[in-house]
Amino acid sequence: DSGVTQTPKHLITATGQRVTLRCSPRSGDLSVYWYQQSLDQGLQFLIQYYNGEERAKGNILERFSAQQFPDLHSELNLSSLELGDSALYFCASSLLAGPSYEQYFGPGTRLTVT
Amino acid sequence: KNEVEQSPQNLTAQEGEFITINCSYSVGISALHWLQQHPGGGIVSLFMLSSGKKKHGRLIATINIQEKHSSLHITASHPRDSAVYICAVRWLLGNQFYFGTGTSLTVIP
Repeated sequence: DSGVTQTPKHLITATGQRVTLRCSPRSGDLSVYWYQQSLDQGLQFLIQYYNGEERAKGNILERFSAQQFPDLHSELNLSSLELGDSALYFCASSLLAGPSYEQYFGPGTRLTVT
Repeated sequence: KNEVEQSPQNLTAQEGEFITINCSYSVGISALHWLQQHPGGGIVSLFMLSSGKKKHGRLIATINIQEKHSSLHITASHPRDSAVYICAVRWLLGNQFYFGTGTSLTVIP
């Protein structure tokens, strides 16, 4: 158990809908990362937050947004969902934001868009 | 163009064999990560490297910054090592992460 929690574990929704994925980092970790893993694209980095501020941005679509709250939990919002958004979404956390800090991964949320 | 290339894509080994997985990258990096993903989907970070070599138990990871290459070695492989191993690099400019497509390892008893 990494100490990172993600909810929900599974989510099935229809095209055009909006969903929110939630991540609670390990106790004491200030940085949160979001990743998407799909069958055709593999793992992709979406976005990183550190202590409430956006720190780095990857291949995050405009239909997606994220934030990190004062209690350090983070939410990833996906809107106008398309079939291609079906994927595993992972959250990871690290103590600080720099590259030398190990990341701890949550169990993931499996999103199915029908 | 993929910034991170891994080889081999698939690997089958007999229990006890020495295994090497390779990762080459094309961008300047601040760190390289080796990740392990089990059949159930969970991801575990094995190593974070910015130079040299690290060892945890039967796992050894090395990186050569000049050659933009890293290797993950598993000594005395065991069936429980069966998983997908993924190389990820953190780009020096912009802090973006790039991932390899993974190496699927099966260790046969």
